[in-house]
Amino acid sequence: GENVEQHPSTLSVQEGDSAVIKCTYSDSASNYFPWYKQELGKRPQLIIDIRSNVGEKKDQRIAVTLNKTAKHFSLHITETQPEDSAVYFCAPITQGGSEKLVFGKGTKLTVNP
Amino acid sequence: EAQVTQNPRYLITVTGKKLTVTCSQNMNHEYMSWYRQDPGLGLRQIYYSMNVEVTDKGDVPEGYKVSRKEKRNFPLILESPSPNQTSLYFCASRRVAGYGYTFGSGTRLTVV
Repeated sequence: GENVEQHPSTLSVQEGDSAVIKCTYSDSASNYFPWYKQELGKRPQLIIDIRSNVGEKKDQRIAVTLNKTAKHFSLHITETQPEDSAVYFCAPITQGGSEKLVFGKGTKLTVNP
Repeated sequence: EAQVTQNPRYLITVTGKKLTVTCSQNMNHEYMSWYRQDPGLGLRQIYYSMNVEVTDKGDVPEGYKVSRKEKRNFPLILESPSPNQTSLYFCASRRVAGYGYTFGSGTRLTVV
C-alpha cells in the first residue's frame, strides 16, 4: 500500500519567518496532491493542492511544489502569522484509481509572536 | 451552504451498545470516506465509498460497518463498540476527479 511520510513532525518558527513541510509518498500513480490545515478543535480543511502536470502553485502566502521524480511535494508558508499555527496534513490521491487513502501523520506548526 | 453534516457531535456510550453516526452531504459528491483521528496517529481511513452501493475497507475497518444506499448519506455503524474505538471521527466527501475532501465537523465518541 501507499506509504506517506511527513517531515518534520513539529515546527516552531518566529512570526514573519518561512516554514516548509515535506510530504514523501511511494505510489508513483499518485497524481493529485492536497494539503489540509487543522486548527485546534476544528475539522481539517483543504488549503492548497497541485496536480501532477504542474510543478508549483501559489496562493498568496502559501505555495506547493511537486517533484514527481523524487516522489515528494512540499508546502511553503511565507511571512508566517500566529493564525498559521495548526496541524498540516498531506494525502496524495490517484485520480481515477482507488480512494483508499493514507494521510501523513501531520506536522504541528507553531508560529511564535 | 455546501457542507458535510455529521451527527451527533459528542457521544458517550457503553461497551457493546450498538450505535450509528450519521453523515450527509449536499454537494452531490460521488466519493465519501470515514476517518478516525487519534493523538500521534493522524487521520486513518476506516471505510470509503466510490458510489451508491459501492464500499470498501480502508486501513482500520475492524469493528465498523458502513452502507451507501443513497448518494448523500454514508452512516458509520459500530455493532458492538469497545473502549479502543474511543476516538474523534470525521466523515468527508469529494467529487470524482475533483478537489480534495470536504470534512464534517467531527464526532467525538467515548466508549466506557
